[in-house]
Amino acid sequence: DQQVKQNSPSLSVQEGRISILNCDYTNSMFDYFLWYKKYPAEGPTFLISISSIKDKNEDGRFTVFLNKSAKHLSLHIVPSQPGDSAVYFCAARPLSGNTPLVFGKGTRLSVIA
Amino acid sequence: SQTIHQWPATLVQPVGSPLSLECTVEGTSNPNLYWYRQAAGRGLQLLFYSVGIGQISSEVPQNLSASRPQDRQFILSSKKLLLSDSGFYLCAWNRGQGGKGNQPQHFGDGTRLSIL
Repeated sequence: DQQVKQNSPSLSVQEGRISILNCDYTNSMFDYFLWYKKYPAEGPTFLISISSIKDKNEDGRFTVFLNKSAKHLSLHIVPSQPGDSAVYFCAARPLSGNTPLVFGKGTRLSVIA
Repeated sequence: SQTIHQWPATLVQPVGSPLSLECTVEGTSNPNLYWYRQAAGRGLQLLFYSVGIGQISSEVPQNLSASRPQDRQFILSSKKLLLSDSGFYLCAWNRGQGGKGNQPQHFGDGTRLSIL
């Protein structure tokens, strides 16, 4: 049973436009949500996170939105740049402090110049 | 600052051979440590995690095992590799329960394992 779902395996966006990556989760015990960015043959890099007590967190061009009632979060990248082309993973963690993150299967973002 | 080292970067092994991948973390103590695998075209699958020396939790039953002989060392092993063990193996860490607040996991650069 997949607890974190990224239903779009790929997304293409023109440079300068907004990229919106979506993620849905099923476990209402998740309280901490993260986005990671991964280039080929490299480990994922932590991008941005949000706690369940917030509905928005912003860091430069990256903003994460959390809708707890819909069990949905999204990552907005504005403006999109060619260097943003990568696979983006959504991850979530239950309440227990030492519990591992649960990852989605990823969305490949291609930013076209 | 904290760093995570993982080696080797690439490895080609015959079916039935043993495996040992090593991961070390510097600049912190009592980290949580994780092994993940990313198979071709798939997401990140958690294999093992450890919250302390000698404490290993296994998420997926298979022919792989993990050990944590020292506080900041995590080893992934196999006695006999299968073709299905091919993939990209990632080690990760985050602060243990003594850390404050929510802590993201930080990943190493990965090991590309090809089984022939």
